[in-house]
Amino acid sequence: AQTVTQSQPEMSVQEAETVTLSCTYDTSESDYYLFWYKQPPSRQMILVIRQEAYKQQNATENRFSVNFQKAAKSFSLKISDSQLGDAAMYFCAYRTPSGGGADGLTFGKGTHLIIQP
Amino acid sequence: DGGITQSPKYLFRKEGQNVTLSCEQNLNHDAMYWYRQDPGQGLRLIYYSQIVNDFQKGDIAEGYSVSREKKESFPLTVTSAQKNPTAFYLCASSLGGTLGEQFFGPGTRLTVL
Repeated sequence: AQTVTQSQPEMSVQEAETVTLSCTYDTSESDYYLFWYKQPPSRQMILVIRQEAYKQQNATENRFSVNFQKAAKSFSLKISDSQLGDAAMYFCAYRTPSGGGADGLTFGKGTHLIIQP
Repeated sequence: DGGITQSPKYLFRKEGQNVTLSCEQNLNHDAMYWYRQDPGQGLRLIYYSQIVNDFQKGDIAEGYSVSREKKESFPLTVTSAQKNPTAFYLCASSLGGTLGEQFFGPGTRLTVL
């Protein structure tokens, strides 16, 4: 079974600075997908960024980028120019492409990100 | 607006009672999912459904049941057999296919007294 590990229960960063959240995973599959989701205090899960394992290029979405190291099974999220609205729980998630995408996501336990004004 | 709705937002039940959580989507998605979230934990998969009239157990299906009679609806019943039902429940849907990006509803907080 696949597992996802987020080793940082909580991180704190000054507004406008850069922060990196760590995620490692364990799988025997060669093809899979990785995601970062954000869960603000409203508890609504919001997709931040997605990475396909077969793509060598790291995904980027505005201030959010990933460092995907397939051999090391590492998938970190970098948030640049941190804003107060970035404060939330961040979850790393994994999925294999089998079953037409209907086999669910495996989540890490999350990192609580605090933004200091 | 397209999206996923879950009702109610907060639900209280007495121990030993079954309770059904609603999930509806108008995104025309084929696949739907139920997750459970406990404090300090990530989301864990309870059940999922790829198509109407078909569903599969996830990692923690014991004490739960589902139905998928319509494409847009995927209700979850928390039965009295579930030992620790108090939790936050999230419903999600996706188009399926290789990308499989999941969109989530706002969640239901279930408290069993």
